[in-house]
Amino acid sequence: GQQLNQSPQSMFIQEGEDVSMNCTSSSIFNTWLWYKQDPGEGPVLLIALYKAGELTSNGRLTAQFGITRKDSFLNISASIPSDVGIYFCAAQMLNTDKLIFGTGTRLQVFP
Amino acid sequence: NAGVTQTPKFRILKIGQSMTLQCTQDMNHNYMYWYRQDPGMGLKLIYYSVGAGITDKGEVPNGYNVSRSTTEDFPLRLELAAPSQTSVYFCASRRTGGPEQYFGPGTRLTVT
Repeated sequence: GQQLNQSPQSMFIQEGEDVSMNCTSSSIFNTWLWYKQDPGEGPVLLIALYKAGELTSNGRLTAQFGITRKDSFLNISASIPSDVGIYFCAAQMLNTDKLIFGTGTRLQVFP
Repeated sequence: NAGVTQTPKFRILKIGQSMTLQCTQDMNHNYMYWYRQDPGMGLKLIYYSVGAGITDKGEVPNGYNVSRSTTEDFPLRLELAAPSQTSVYFCASRRTGGPEQYFGPGTRLTVT
């Protein structure tokens, strides 16, 4: 089946640094979503992307829908301790009812 | 709105026992989903429903059953619990026409 390759698996950064992560696939998607999961909680939607090339921001977070429709990127600027968590990408093909999820990027931020 | 709620938060089962994980949403969403999340892995779809009375299998349905008698509720049933079903279970819902899924807080299940 379809698979999303998310990288890096984990990141250990200093507070104030910028963060980049991405998801790639061999399949073409219609929608890309980015979620954050805090320990012991369910994933929370951060950003939704609906069009190839689209660049969307949510505060310090910026995400892009790749031109080929096979990838997406998430950047976090000036990281803070509350950015700690697991970030998941998810994608949906046209005319399907289901999302496919990446395996997550675990982010640790040190003061 | 409470969003998506799940009960219980935690549960320990013995091998062979049965239980039902409850999921309720108050957003009037037609679509509901059950996922399991194993350590270091992404979310795997167990079952989903596109509306009351309609359910369909996802990627990993074996050992589970679901029903959808109302728009609000989508319970997940484990009939004969096995250690391989130790996982965190998440319920999610979305509106018709939108891909964004909204998740509950999860149920952490241990089968020993």
